Amino acid sequence: EVQLLESGGGLVQPGGSLRLSCAASGFTFTNYAMSWVRLAPGKGLEWVSAVTGVDGRPYYADSVEGRFTISRDISKNTLYLQMNSLRTDDTAVYYCAKHWTIFGAVTDTLEYWGQGALVTVSS
Amino acid sequence: DIQMTQSPSSVSASVGDRVTITCRASQSISNWLAWYQQKPGKAPKLLIYAASNLQSGVPSRFSGSGSGTDFTLTLSSLQPEDFATYYCQQANSLPLTFGGGTKVEIK
Repeated sequence: EVQLLESGGGLVQPGGSLRLSCAASGFTFTNYAMSWVRLAPGKGLEWVSAVTGVDGRPYYADSVEGRFTISRDISKNTLYLQMNSLRTDDTAVYYCAKHWTIFGAVTDTLEYWGQGALVTVSS
Repeated sequence: DIQMTQSPSSVSASVGDRVTITCRASQSISNWLAWYQQKPGKAPKLLIYAASNLQSGVPSRFSGSGSGTDFTLTLSSLQPEDFATYYCQQANSLPLTFGGGTKVEIK
């Protein structure tokens, strides 16, 4: 059974940093791309970042490019999102998601999602 | 970026009703479209992939159709557990983009 468990959310001041983690199990971690997607209050879903499965190549939305860094620890089957220079409009629930296609590209359906981690950016 | 326009943004319906949600892409995405269901405080759940393929375990009252720029999600007979928000997502190119969501509410 695929399981994705996010952690690391919390309250942070504008300009601060936070690192989210997503512990994955139930599938071969390096065979699938992974994404972070967020849901801001009163808004719709927004894709944030992705990493390919085979070689760990990162991709970012323009809104977070240069501020957020996606990474993974293959030995721990864990995905990370390092968030720096946080702004109030980064406030959202952040979900990690496993992509659909084995050895696939990051342009893909998101097959499984975690329960989410709430990040609140406020002074 | 490919813009995804969903309509309606909300719909009030009764148990047993047929509900149709549409999603329009700003450019052709072939059949690279998925539909998700999200309930408050829960993770999104994949319903339909590649525009018309039902994800394993999803009831057959859900169906998807379309290709190119125009897509439809149909709930043939609304059940109490179907009241939720539904999103379309294009998987044709980065950035992955979602429709604004359709909230299906109880009439």
